[in-house]
Amino acid sequence: GALVYQYPRRTICKSGTSMRMECQAVGFQATSVAWYRQSPQKTFELIALSTVNSAIKYEQNFTQEKFPISHPNLSFSSMTVLNAYLEDRGLYLCGAGSSGNTLYFGEGSRLIVV
Amino acid sequence: GDSVIQMQGQVTLSENDFLFINCTYSTTGYPTLFWYVQYSGEGPQLLLQVTTANNKGSSRGFEATYDKGTTSFHLQKTSVQEIDSAVYYCAMRREGGRALIFGTGTTVSVSP
Repeated sequence: GALVYQYPRRTICKSGTSMRMECQAVGFQATSVAWYRQSPQKTFELIALSTVNSAIKYEQNFTQEKFPISHPNLSFSSMTVLNAYLEDRGLYLCGAGSSGNTLYFGEGSRLIVV
Repeated sequence: GDSVIQMQGQVTLSENDFLFINCTYSTTGYPTLFWYVQYSGEGPQLLLQVTTANNKGSSRGFEATYDKGTTSFHLQKTSVQEIDSAVYYCAMRREGGRALIFGTGTTVSVSP
C-alpha cells in the first residue's frame, strides 16, 4: 500500500536557527507533494504544493525564502524552515499523491522553538 | 472563496451511540470530498473519499454522502466504539486542483 514517511519526528531548535524535514513516499509515485502546517489548535494551513516538472506554488503568507522546498524525484521531498521563531512551531505534514489522486500523509515533523 | 466548514468542534459520546459530524463545503464545479481521521500522535489517515456527486462512500462502518444540492458531506456511524476516539477532518479537492482544503476538525471522544 501507499506509505509516507517523515523525519525527523520531532526537533527542538533555538530561535533563529533552521530545521530541515524530509518526506519519503513508498509504494507509489509522488507526483504531487503538499506541505501543511498543523497549528496547536489542530487546523491545517497549506504551505505549498509541489508537482514534478512544475513550479512550486506557495500559499499566501508562505514564501520560498522562508520555506524552501525540494522535490527532486517521485519518491522524495524536503522542506526547510529557515530562521524559525515561536510562530513557526507546529506539526509539519507532508501529503503525497500521484496524478491528482488521494493525498497520503506522513506522521509529521514537529517543530518546537525555544 | 473555497472553504470547508465543520461547525462541531467537539462531540462526546458513549459506546454504541450514533455519530453524526456535520460538514459543508463551498466551491465551484464538482470537487472531490474526503474524510480523514487523525489519532493522537499520528498523521491524518484517509477514511473515505467520494468523487462523484450524489454517491456515498463508506469505510469501517463510517459513511458519508456527497450531496451536491446542499453542498454537504456529513459523516455518520451507527454504533461508535472507544477506538473511534480521534479528530475527524472533512476535506475537499476542488475540480482540477491537487491540494486539499481542510475543515477545522471535530474531536470525537467515546467513553466505554
